[in-house]
Amino acid sequence: DGGITQSPKYLFRKEGQNVTLSCEQNLNHDAMYWYRQDPGQGLRLIYYSQIVNDFQKGDIAEGYSVSREKKESFPLTVTSAQKNPTAFYLCASSRGGEITEAFFGQGTRLTVV
Amino acid sequence: DQQVKQNSPSLSVQEGRISILNCDYTNSMFDYFLWYKKYPAEGPTFLISISSIKDKNEDGRFTVFLNKSAKHLSLHIVPSQPGDSAVYFCAALRGSNYQLIWGAGTKLIIKP
Repeated sequence: DGGITQSPKYLFRKEGQNVTLSCEQNLNHDAMYWYRQDPGQGLRLIYYSQIVNDFQKGDIAEGYSVSREKKESFPLTVTSAQKNPTAFYLCASSRGGEITEAFFGQGTRLTVV
Repeated sequence: DQQVKQNSPSLSVQEGRISILNCDYTNSMFDYFLWYKKYPAEGPTFLISISSIKDKNEDGRFTVFLNKSAKHLSLHIVPSQPGDSAVYFCAALRGSNYQLIWGAGTKLIIKP
């Protein structure tokens, strides 16, 4: 049963700590993305990766880092440099060149206290 | 600078009637538009899309209309059903660099 999985669903961290959000897909998709959603705003692209070992910054990459060592995995690290890390984070994947039909994970709600 | 705007945060429609969700954009270079549906605590799911070379695309109860001169698109759902209650996002594709520009979403509530 193919899909895209984010874990955990809810995450709490103390201010100043780095935290890594997991995203795994078994759809054999080449492209993966991380978005952030804040109340009253659309999804904003943090990072995306079109192929293994390659990734590009999105519109709001500052304070975040990613890696793409495996096709199936695209973890996002929220670093202490991110000024407002509390948000809902969504991971997505798509066949290469077909962002138009991206599949999304269920999201991780990160709360920094 | 919001390039894609959904000006109605919420919309309430009677079951069986037509739901019309609106979306405006500012960048005339967008060449593909999409609608996504999102239930609480879930990721968005793709609903329907339209290329900028068309003015209408239909899929079952869902129809998207594009008015390029007005930089406006709309999603029509008819007839509306209780399961349509969700947040609907409009998104536009910018070039070939895998970036979607998203609206803020409209919460659709279908009343029984």
